[in-house]
Amino acid sequence: ETGVTQTPRHLVMGMTNKKSLKCEQHLGHNAMYWYKQSAKKPLELMFVYNFKEQTENNSVPSRFSPECPNSSHLFLHLHTLQPEDSALYLCASSPGTSGENEQFFGPGTRLTVL
Amino acid sequence: SQQGEEDPQALGIQEGENATMNCSYKTSINNLQWYRQNSGRGLVHLILIRSNEREKHSGRLRVTLDTSKKSSSLLITASRAADTASYFCATGGEGNTPLVFGKGTRLSVIA
Repeated sequence: ETGVTQTPRHLVMGMTNKKSLKCEQHLGHNAMYWYKQSAKKPLELMFVYNFKEQTENNSVPSRFSPECPNSSHLFLHLHTLQPEDSALYLCASSPGTSGENEQFFGPGTRLTVL
Repeated sequence: SQQGEEDPQALGIQEGENATMNCSYKTSINNLQWYRQNSGRGLVHLILIRSNEREKHSGRLRVTLDTSKKSSSLLITASRAADTASYFCATGGEGNTPLVFGKGTRLSVIA
């Protein structure tokens, strides 16, 4: 257990559905991250939040909408996704956003878009 | 980009052998970290080496860093079947730039 939980662990959705991924960290960290991991591609950083404020958005399509209501919770709202959005979505947290920090990852949500 | 690039992409060894994975990067860094990922799971931090360090040990892991060559290596000694996983290097720059991860090396240890 890394102290970062993600739900659901698996999600299958159609292209017209709306769903949300949830991440929670119990480590007292200030920074939280969403990553996308597709087969044979590097880990892609999607969003970074520091003290609930979004500090990075790496040109992510608007069909992905993050929400960070407090430093412990992070959501990723999904709507009108495409089949190529199928991937493992990983949440991570760290004490701060500095690259000196170790990141703690959740187990991921395996998303399949039909 | 300071993205790390691991080499080889895949490595298969027998249990008891040593496994060496390499990481190269392009720009100056503050630190370099190695992570492990079991299939379909999240990444787990293994070790961090700072730019002013040359070698670091943790159990059966040994990490080296050569900033002049912009490269790092991860050595796992006396490998076990349970070491089967993907291993990623991640580079940390100055200030508040987040870590940048490489593509990973997939290690298979056969019993």
